[in-house]
Amino acid sequence: EADIYQTPRYLVIGTGKKITLECSQTMGHDKMYWYQQDPGMELHLIHYSYGVNSTEKGDLSSESTVSRIRTEHFPLTLESARPSHTSQYLCASRRDAESSPLHFGNGTRLTVT
Amino acid sequence: KNQVEQSPQSLIILEGKNCTLQCNYTVSPFSNLRWYKQDTGRGPVSLTIMTFSENTKSNGRYTATLDADTKQSSLHITASQLSDSASYICVATSGGSYIPTFGRGTSLIVHP
Repeated sequence: EADIYQTPRYLVIGTGKKITLECSQTMGHDKMYWYQQDPGMELHLIHYSYGVNSTEKGDLSSESTVSRIRTEHFPLTLESARPSHTSQYLCASRRDAESSPLHFGNGTRLTVT
Repeated sequence: KNQVEQSPQSLIILEGKNCTLQCNYTVSPFSNLRWYKQDTGRGPVSLTIMTFSENTKSNGRYTATLDADTKQSSLHITASQLSDSASYICVATSGGSYIPTFGRGTSLIVHP
């Protein structure tokens, strides 16, 4: 079982609120990722990081930001939540080897009312 | 553009039966293909990895195949159990990339 943790597991907030989704891993992985997952759809990459102070945008990066100040911590922030942000957010990490698997957290289910 | 297509979208089988899930991929250059299992409310977990030179790989009751010529992979589940009910996601990665391409998954329901 991989050691990657996401909090909160569930979050219901109102439109316009600023929120931060937390993700931490204890495996010392340099590479970390944030994905958005909707029912019946493929995972969409929001942001990724290849190490401390390195962050890149994915396909769905608009309206959100990330930071990577420490290897183990990769929080995702929505500056102003909208109902269209309602979704499942998954954090993942992996070792540097190209063939290494992604280790996922159990996700944050976000509902914006 | 890299793409991964999975079929069927959903599948219902009886406990004890076998089933096969399909995956067609277009990634270039091809590096590897993984199958993940995602239980409801959990993150995906890797089941197998297939590289270019591998045709078949087993992990317990799960057997994955790869045909690099036709760019197809399959996941065969033998003697299904209720705990096999989950979404199975095919993920392909191109060489030199750490950004994999995900399929939409096959939702498998195993009935008693």
